[in-house]
Amino acid sequence: EPEVTQTPSHQVTQMGQEVILRCVPISNHLYFYWYRQILGQKVEFLVSFYNNEISEKSEIFDDQFSVERPDGSNFTLKIRSTKLEDSAMYFCASTGLAANTGELFFGEGSRLTVL
Amino acid sequence: ILNVEQSPQSLHVQEGDSTNFTCSFPSSNFYALHWYRWETAKSPEALFVMTLNGDEKKKGRISATLNTKEGYSYLYIKGSQPEDSATYLCAFKNRDDKIIFGKGTRLHILP
Repeated sequence: EPEVTQTPSHQVTQMGQEVILRCVPISNHLYFYWYRQILGQKVEFLVSFYNNEISEKSEIFDDQFSVERPDGSNFTLKIRSTKLEDSAMYFCASTGLAANTGELFFGEGSRLTVL
Repeated sequence: ILNVEQSPQSLHVQEGDSTNFTCSFPSSNFYALHWYRWETAKSPEALFVMTLNGDEKKKGRISATLNTKEGYSYLYIKGSQPEDSATYLCAFKNRDDKIIFGKGTRLHILP
């Protein structure tokens, strides 16, 4: 069964360092998302991406964040200069042509720990 | 402000008992309501996608109902089993394509 894959599963980084989280969405999906969950808190929307551009982003998704779909399969989230409060589980999700109902297919997440 | 509330936050249920929990969402500009099951160390998986007022969906021992006019959905689990232990997330999608998640209900099944 097709699935969304994410790497790395866990990354530890120093504050101020750049981090890239990678996602391979399901191959025929068109809409891509990043969400995050800080420990004990709710799942928060970061950004949605369609047709090679950002379609929506939240207030969390400031200038330190960027997304890219460099080669038609990977979908990456870059954090330029990490802060302690960026420590969270980051989930990539995709959805296909049934985007009108929007059922999301999630990856298993990348845990980011900023020291 | 779009807000999705789930209650209770946490629930302990004896194996074999039935249980239910609630998701409340804005009643205006509704498009779809999703329920996801999120097991520890795994990714959230869609259980139900509901779009019509009065919808009732069932998957095995789990079912869900939807009331879009008053803005709530119930998830029911009949005869709870240990494998039902998970966090159950609901997500509201509106006609502007916003998807907002609740905080989830953590369900613990006691042997």
